[in-house]
Amino acid sequence: DADVTQTPRNRITKTGKRIMLECSQTKGHDRMYWYRQDPGLGLRLIYYSFDVKDINKGEISDGYSVSRQAQAKFSLSLESAIPNQTALYFCATSDLGTAHYNEQFFGPGTRLTVL
Amino acid sequence: AQSVTQPDIHITVSEGASLELRCNYSYGATPYLFWYVQSPGQGLQLLLKYFSGDTLVQGIKGFEAEFKRSQSSFNLRKPSVHWSDAAEYFCAVCGGTASKLTFGTGTRLQVTL
Repeated sequence: DADVTQTPRNRITKTGKRIMLECSQTKGHDRMYWYRQDPGLGLRLIYYSFDVKDINKGEISDGYSVSRQAQAKFSLSLESAIPNQTALYFCATSDLGTAHYNEQFFGPGTRLTVL
Repeated sequence: AQSVTQPDIHITVSEGASLELRCNYSYGATPYLFWYVQSPGQGLQLLLKYFSGDTLVQGIKGFEAEFKRSQSSFNLRKPSVHWSDAAEYFCAVCGGTASKLTFGTGTRLQVTL
């Protein structure tokens, strides 16, 4: 069973549409992250959350919003999708309660295409 | 601010040959360092990690990496590459209590038979 799941795995949408990407985890971790991957740019951090009441912007948060509905769920929204948001999106988790709290565990990714 | 440089965008090696992928980081204190692999169409898999202690770190699939503080490097090595190692490899650094990973731009490995 996957510890970090992402839905949908693939999504094609049109410019201007609202899109939500969902992430769920069964690892019991308190920290969750959203990244996007673009060819030649690696992964870049969009938002991160240390608990349900804590949301922080990453390096490329413009055009995105997030919601931490529960410890295990962290959603990423594109309020009005644009073509340059076409990318592969990854959710990740980490656990403050361990000595290795900097280690992150990644979901399988969501491939989003904005036409 | 922390940063990672992977100077090689694309590397081609023959199956059975040795491999070294370069990674240089910038961080003001002792970093936490990681290597991830991404096979085509797949997510990220952790190969190995360095937190402290022995500077030579062993990972999965026969990979190892050596942390060299004096050179700000964390190069990934494998003595004999298999065709299934063809993938993209990412080096990442993490520092501070925010646990934010900063990734390099990746090195794509092609293995010829």
